[in-house]
Amino acid sequence: DIVMTQSPDSLAVSLGERATINCKSSQSVLYSPLNKDYVAWYQQKPGQPPKLLISWASTRGSGVPDRFSGSGSGTDFTLTISSLQAEDVAVYYCLQYHSTPPWTFGQGTKVEIK
Amino acid sequence: EVQLVESGGGLVQPGGSLRLSCAASGFTYSRYWMTWVRQAPGKRPEWVANIKQDGSEKYYVDSVKGRFTISRDNAKNSLYLEMNSLRVEDTAIYYCVRPLDNSGRDDWGQGTLVTVTS
Repeated sequence: DIVMTQSPDSLAVSLGERATINCKSSQSVLYSPLNKDYVAWYQQKPGQPPKLLISWASTRGSGVPDRFSGSGSGTDFTLTISSLQAEDVAVYYCLQYHSTPPWTFGQGTKVEIK
Repeated sequence: EVQLVESGGGLVQPGGSLRLSCAASGFTYSRYWMTWVRQAPGKRPEWVANIKQDGSEKYYVDSVKGRFTISRDNAKNSLYLEMNSLRVEDTAIYYCVRPLDNSGRDDWGQGTLVTVTS
């Protein structure tokens, strides 16, 4: 199974500053026929299901603010919040959904306000 | 508007059984793969099972193989998860999910809580 490892486990960022979360997969999640990386990023707030932010490593979901961006390919991926807002306090997860299941989530990164 | 509404969760003893249901609306249910994802308290989400549009393909995480069965009824726009031989470690919120596809979107229900305890 593909293992997704996030770093850091938590981070505290000042309002308006940049937050960067990394995710490393134990093997490539690139689907060569489509040249797409099967990585997604989710935001989860207490008492709510995860909300999709990014799919295909870098495609922002519908209605997701443009301060959220995804990058990377192969085995190394990054979620960036360019200017942290109070409503961005949450836990963030990466997910690999490469071909045949099992699909696997990273362990999560808790983002707080400094 | 897509809606996924889970039901059937509750308190059960180790070794017991439960059947979860998910009522889907707002989309052409029969055209989509469907998924169950669970999340234990304070833990990361865990993908549990997938089922193809016509039910001909099913996949499970290793920890539930032989104990859980995913199924669907396209006439009723419903998804099910039959859970047998439940263990304490199966305690979690269980989410019904229309998984990510080529459209780049997914949809989640609000979840139903399963608690396995003696």
